[in-house]
Amino acid sequence: QQQVKQSPQSLIVQKGGISIINCAYENTAFDYFPWYQQFPGKGPALLIAIRPDVSEKKEGRFTISFNKSAKQFSLHIMDSQPGDSATYFCAASTAGIGGGSNYKLTFGKGTLLTVNP
Amino acid sequence: ETGVTQTPRHLVMGMTNKKSLKCEQHLGHNAMYWYKQSAKKPLELMFVYNFKEQTENNSVPSRFSPECPNSSHLFLHLHTLQPEDSALYLCASSQVNGYEQYFGPGTRLTVT
Repeated sequence: QQQVKQSPQSLIVQKGGISIINCAYENTAFDYFPWYQQFPGKGPALLIAIRPDVSEKKEGRFTISFNKSAKQFSLHIMDSQPGDSATYFCAASTAGIGGGSNYKLTFGKGTLLTVNP
Repeated sequence: ETGVTQTPRHLVMGMTNKKSLKCEQHLGHNAMYWYKQSAKKPLELMFVYNFKEQTENNSVPSRFSPECPNSSHLFLHLHTLQPEDSALYLCASSQVNGYEQYFGPGTRLTVT
């Protein structure tokens, strides 16, 4: 059972356009929703994250929109650039069980974004 | 060195070989993780270590054996692997009670 569903699987956008990637989750215990960006040959890098007490968070050209009642969140990349071409992963986490309370990340399958010049 | 480093970056091994993957974090974190990344699948959490103690084993086959000698180093010992174990193995670190996990570049493993 996939707990975080991500769409689309791939996305092609023209330079200057808006890229939108969507994720839906099922576990209402999730309380942290990060987006990771991964370039070929690199590990995922934390891009932006949101907690469920806010509906939107913006950092530069990147915005997360969060809809708690619908259990959905999305990443918007404004003024998309060729350098944004990468695979984007949404994730969700809740505190783990036991001493230490690690936040266990559950990932979506990823979206391959291509921004054409 | 900064961030999370992993060696080797690429590894090809036969099914009867024994090899080890190494991860080192330079962030002062106290939790470390192993993930498996396969094509078309979500990242899969394999193991979690807090302060050198294993706190999570996500039903990983025993042919994968982790070791965490201290909070900065994490190993994944591999033996008698199967071709389906071919994947990118990612190490990550965080503070034990922190949300943010930082990933290394991964080791691309091919089992022949």
